[in-house]
Amino acid sequence: DTEVTQTPKHLVMGMTNKKSLKCEQHMGHRAMYWYKQKAKKPPELMFVYSYEKLSINESVPSRFSPECPNSSLLNLHLHALQPEDSALYLCASSQDKGTGYEKLFFGSGTQLSVL
Amino acid sequence: GQNIDQPTEMTATEGAIVQINCTYQTSGFNGLFWYQQHAGEAPTFLSYNVLDGLEEKGRFSSFLSRSKGYSYLLLKELQMKDSASYLCAGMDSNYQLIWGAGTKLIIKP
Repeated sequence: DTEVTQTPKHLVMGMTNKKSLKCEQHMGHRAMYWYKQKAKKPPELMFVYSYEKLSINESVPSRFSPECPNSSLLNLHLHALQPEDSALYLCASSQDKGTGYEKLFFGSGTQLSVL
Repeated sequence: GQNIDQPTEMTATEGAIVQINCTYQTSGFNGLFWYQQHAGEAPTFLSYNVLDGLEEKGRFSSFLSRSKGYSYLLLKELQMKDSASYLCAGMDSNYQLIWGAGTKLIIKP
């Protein structure tokens, strides 16, 4: 199994809603990532978990809250988002963090629209 | 500052060869990645170079020159399905990926 599974694929939410994005991998990877990608732009790193501990938080607003319940799962909790947060949210995993060759496996993403 | 530069868009003909260039400036260097991304889909890994030279994988090859801060992705025998964005990403001394904006490759019949 070399897949990273993300749900849902599409999400439309209002600015007062609370929703969660989910990500799962069963490759035994110990690093998991959340990226945000706007159209025609490169992915922007949001959070990195290494061995289930948050190791990088790239100054992301608190309306985005990551959670890593175990080594296979990664969630992103969303609350009080703004229309400018509309983007493709990508989850990725890699064998480890900080060993040089960090081949990322990406999920297919959640296309989020905030109304 | 850290920066990755690559052309915004390129056009090529089916069956031909195309070279997508990337120049990078990173704080330290731990390798250069190329990813392919079809519209609305996730990026998929194509190649990784950390030493100078050419790495060949089927129709795709990637080249690195560390002294010049330069890489290219070479695609041969182009197929219509190769129409996608190609993202260059450099890894810095903290093992963080610095991404380029991507090159949109358009293949014409």
